[in-house]
Amino acid sequence: AQSVTQLGSHVSVSEGALVLLRCNYSSSVPPYLFWYVQYPNQGLQLLLKYTSAATLVKGINGFEAEFKKSETSFHLTKPSAHMSDAAEYFCAGAGGTSYGKLTFGQGTILTVHP
Amino acid sequence: GAVVSQHPSWVICKSGTSVKIECRSLDFQATTMFWYRQFPKQSLMLMATSNEGSKATYEQGVEKDKFLINHASLTLSTLTVTSAHPEDSSFYICSAITAYEQYFGPGTRLTVT
Repeated sequence: AQSVTQLGSHVSVSEGALVLLRCNYSSSVPPYLFWYVQYPNQGLQLLLKYTSAATLVKGINGFEAEFKKSETSFHLTKPSAHMSDAAEYFCAGAGGTSYGKLTFGQGTILTVHP
Repeated sequence: GAVVSQHPSWVICKSGTSVKIECRSLDFQATTMFWYRQFPKQSLMLMATSNEGSKATYEQGVEKDKFLINHASLTLSTLTVTSAHPEDSSFYICSAITAYEQYFGPGTRLTVT
């Protein structure tokens, strides 16, 4: 069964510093993988997605993620954090042909300090 | 991009009453929609898959008689929480898929007193 694990429930960085949010997946088939951002009391906004076209995926707001099959990882990065990046981030995966049924990681709250 | 709306955005109801939450795809047709539940400070858990014109498919552990799902048209799915109890208080989020994308609604905050 598909599972998604996010390492670190809270990550704190300074403004301008590198953002690294970790996500590992387990699956016996190449998955679809997604990163979403959620602001308080709001729905989810898609940052980027991996669908096997390219291992390095660029998303919105300067975020990118690299799919590494050997490490079963899909970590999210941003070179320089901005205050507006403070939010909760979810990694999600879908296996097989049903990309709609997502399994979410536990979420990582990103705090950005001035 | 495609837009999914939910109504209401928040609702407070008394224990024992039923609450209906609507999920609409505003500018596209969705044969399949999904309902997720998010408890405070927790992740989203898939509750059920809503299929237009047929019965919903519920995930293990979700009471289908308590969470009634109706997908009566290609743009509307409803989730009715029947005989709500305080433990049903949660953030309910729906999503709709096209051939290539999944779009999430803004969520509905349900508080049962």
